[in-house]
Amino acid sequence: DIQLTQSPSFLSASVGDRVTITCRASQGISNYLAWYQQKPGRAPKLLIYAASSLQSGVPSRFSGSGSGTEFTLTISSLQPEDFATYYCQHFNSYPFTFGPGTKVDIK
Amino acid sequence: QLQLQESGPGLVKPSETLSLTCTVSGGSMNSGTYYWGWIRQPPGKGLEWIGTVYYSGITYYNPSLKSRVTISVDTSKNQFSLKLSSVTATDTAVYYCARLWGRGASILAFDVWGQGTMVTVSS
Repeated sequence: DIQLTQSPSFLSASVGDRVTITCRASQGISNYLAWYQQKPGRAPKLLIYAASSLQSGVPSRFSGSGSGTEFTLTISSLQPEDFATYYCQHFNSYPFTFGPGTKVDIK
Repeated sequence: QLQLQESGPGLVKPSETLSLTCTVSGGSMNSGTYYWGWIRQPPGKGLEWIGTVYYSGITYYNPSLKSRVTISVDTSKNQFSLKLSSVTATDTAVYYCARLWGRGASILAFDVWGQGTMVTVSS
């Protein structure tokens, strides 16, 4: 099975900061990676699919990049509504595992 | 607008079978473009993919749960279901149903999610 790791696990940042989260796969997954945002008590929300494609309706301050084994999610200017936990998930082969998550908190 | 809604008991006894249904509204499950899946999240923890079903009934399960999981689809009711047998306290979680979307032969993401339903395993 393909394992995903995320770094950092926790990130403290201020409004306006540029934030980068990394997701690493235990083996190459081409660009079969998605990013989700989850707020407390809510279902996850799709932000990015195919590593770098922005889901419809998601603000352009979110961007994704990478292929193979290393991927990044970048928030160009952190907004108050962006404080949440972010998960990556791969779709290269079954099982479709998730990363452990990165919590973005207010500094 | 497509919506998914989970339903089922919120409390299940240890060793019994957890049964949940996801009702899809605002669209048909018969489209060959989509798969349908279940994901769970124990309290305070991360997300775990449980399994996926195609409208034809083809299924894929997480190997860690495969011996206990059955996912089925009823396109006439626009529903798909999850059964998890021999549950223990470690199966306590919020259970989500979601649509799995792709292009061509590639699966790309869970793009529409239900709100989730909390299931507690306790006597």
